[in-house]
Amino acid sequence: DVKVTQSSRYLVKRTGEKVFLECVQDMDHENMFWYRQDPGLGLRLIYFSYDVKMKEKGDIPEGYSVSREKKERFSLILESASTNQTSMYLCASSFGTGSFNEQFFGPGTRLTVL
Amino acid sequence: KNEVEQSPQNLTAQEGEFITINCSYSVGISALHWLQQHPGGGIVSLFMLSSGKKKHGRLIATINIQEKHSSLHITASHPRDSAVYICAASSGYNTDKLIFGTGTRLQVFP
Repeated sequence: DVKVTQSSRYLVKRTGEKVFLECVQDMDHENMFWYRQDPGLGLRLIYFSYDVKMKEKGDIPEGYSVSREKKERFSLILESASTNQTSMYLCASSFGTGSFNEQFFGPGTRLTVL
Repeated sequence: KNEVEQSPQNLTAQEGEFITINCSYSVGISALHWLQQHPGGGIVSLFMLSSGKKKHGRLIATINIQEKHSSLHITASHPRDSAVYICAASSGYNTDKLIFGTGTRLQVFP
């Protein structure tokens, strides 16, 4: 079974803190994605990566950065957390490139910024 | 207007009822995905389809490319079907990027 794990299920941080969200997949997938999910807005793509050390901006990259030093790990970084970054963060991975690749999702990290 | 719209936003049903969730999209797509999200957050893929109909157990997904519309049906619904159902569109042939609907929250009561 494909497994995508995220470092925390719940996280509480203070405004201005640097926050790291980690995602690890165990199926040698090329593609990895970071989304945030907010009520009424659905899932929105923050960043994605097609390969090690490669990253591309999604629809809402402002305030975020990412790192992919190893194929299995994709990190989302909030350089200076703000209250409007309180959200559910979901990581996903998929194999290869193409519209028929299933994305496998992690369990999500619910981040609260106070 | 969102590129992928779902209806209804919320749905309640009695156990055993036939359920339909609708998804309309305004972009050209190469594939349409149906996803399920249970309380607690985990999302699983139910179907990927580009034409016609697919069936898995009590779940059936259909798509009409000309009308830019897809439906997810649940036959003989059960309380364990309670979840958020999300449709998502792949807008290109060489991309994994998805455009998501906002989801339909389904509650099935015994």
